[in-house]
Amino acid sequence: QVQLQESGPGLVKPSETLSLTCIVSGGSVSSGDFYWNWIRQPPGKGLEWIGFVYHTGGTNYNPSLKSRVTLSLDVSKNHFSLKVNSATAADTALYFCARAPLKYYDGSSGPVSFDVWGQGTLVTVSS
Amino acid sequence: DIQMTQSPSSLSASVGDRVTITCQASQDISNYLNWYQQKPGKAPKLLIYGASNLETGVPSRFSGSGSGTHFSLTISGLQPEDFAAYFCQQYDSPFTFGPGTKVDIK
Repeated sequence: QVQLQESGPGLVKPSETLSLTCIVSGGSVSSGDFYWNWIRQPPGKGLEWIGFVYHTGGTNYNPSLKSRVTLSLDVSKNHFSLKVNSATAADTALYFCARAPLKYYDGSSGPVSFDVWGQGTLVTVSS
Repeated sequence: DIQMTQSPSSLSASVGDRVTITCQASQDISNYLNWYQQKPGKAPKLLIYGASNLETGVPSRFSGSGSGTHFSLTISGLQPEDFAAYFCQQYDSPFTFGPGTKVDIK
């Protein structure tokens, strides 16, 4: 079955770029059946959806983060990546990558739920 | 963005209890509502999608209902492995989650 694994630095300095990668095994990021997402959770707090990337390279970002976030996908390495520019302490969180199947509903289509998640990786923004 | 609220924020219950958690959306989201369970240090697990559909492999003691702005998750016969946090999530972009309900042992 498909598995997701986040990787990247656990400590980032303020104003620098936070970069993470999600390695996909048992499945392919080139599949048109799924959207590849990043979600974060500050310590002791709730979940915040960051955005998704589709196999075409198309993206959709949370407007609250859109100006600082870039998602990309590498089919040759079967992984997708997150970059958050100008990191601050508020970006300190447990970062999850997650898969969302393409669904058809009410005459529309798109991702609706997150059915497979990575284990999460804690990123601390601190000098 | 659509704001999600949950109540209660926490509750204490015993094994075998029937537990209901509610989720309210700031505007009509039809049945575009999912429920997740999260245990400490772990990723969330999808329980219910489309407000009332049980995800494959999830025990039938979990059920969901509601539409529009008011939704609920019920656990009928709480089991030891059910003590966890529960989040609702709406899928009218951008996706947003509720703040969570922590269920612990009485």
